[in-house]
Amino acid sequence: AQSVSQHNHHVILSEAASLELGCNYSYGGTVNLFWYVQYPGQHLQLLLKYFSGDPLVKGIKGFEAEFIKSKFSFNLRKPSVQWSDTAEYFCAVKGRGSSASKIIFGSGTRLSIRP
Amino acid sequence: DAGVTQSPTHLIKTRGQHVTLRCSPISGHKSVSWYQQVLGQGPQFIFQYYEKEERGRGNFPDRFSARQFPNYSSELNVNALLLGDSALYLCASSLAGAGGVNTEAFFGQGTRLTVV
Repeated sequence: AQSVSQHNHHVILSEAASLELGCNYSYGGTVNLFWYVQYPGQHLQLLLKYFSGDPLVKGIKGFEAEFIKSKFSFNLRKPSVQWSDTAEYFCAVKGRGSSASKIIFGSGTRLSIRP
Repeated sequence: DAGVTQSPTHLIKTRGQHVTLRCSPISGHKSVSWYQQVLGQGPQFIFQYYEKEERGRGNFPDRFSARQFPNYSSELNVNALLLGDSALYLCASSLAGAGGVNTEAFFGQGTRLTVV
């Protein structure tokens, strides 16, 4: 079955703490991987993406993610979080086959940053 | 540049009614997809249209239908509304269709549908 699993439903951190959000996926075939962020009252925005090449990808606002193929994982990291990072974070996968039309999202991780 | 625009932003309907949601993709994008996001969950795929043809359908009942117009805008229709249809409905546009390599989806603000 095709699925995305995000291990943490709600993470609470203090400003300047380091962040790692876990994501594992199940998909038979070559995939593109994404992290989307949804700030309060705003639309889903792409944080970063992996298509191919270097498994360590850098996104906006200091976020990065590492694709570990053997573990089917794509964890999101940030060395030092800010209050403005408070948001919902979604890991997502999309197949690259000719019939792959949908993006499969995880259930999301709510990140709360204490000022 | 205008992003993906959806209308209306909010909607309240009664059980059994019908609703039509609208989406305009980013200029130049030929693919539109629809997602349902229930509170506390990630978006769930409903449909994808590319070049006015349905290219993918998620696990939703036949009460859900959609179409894409020659200008690539799209409508999502839901008949016989149920309380469980209350959700945020998201539209996403992208350059390529199904199987397009290295394409990303851009999402609109969504339409918040409440069924009472």
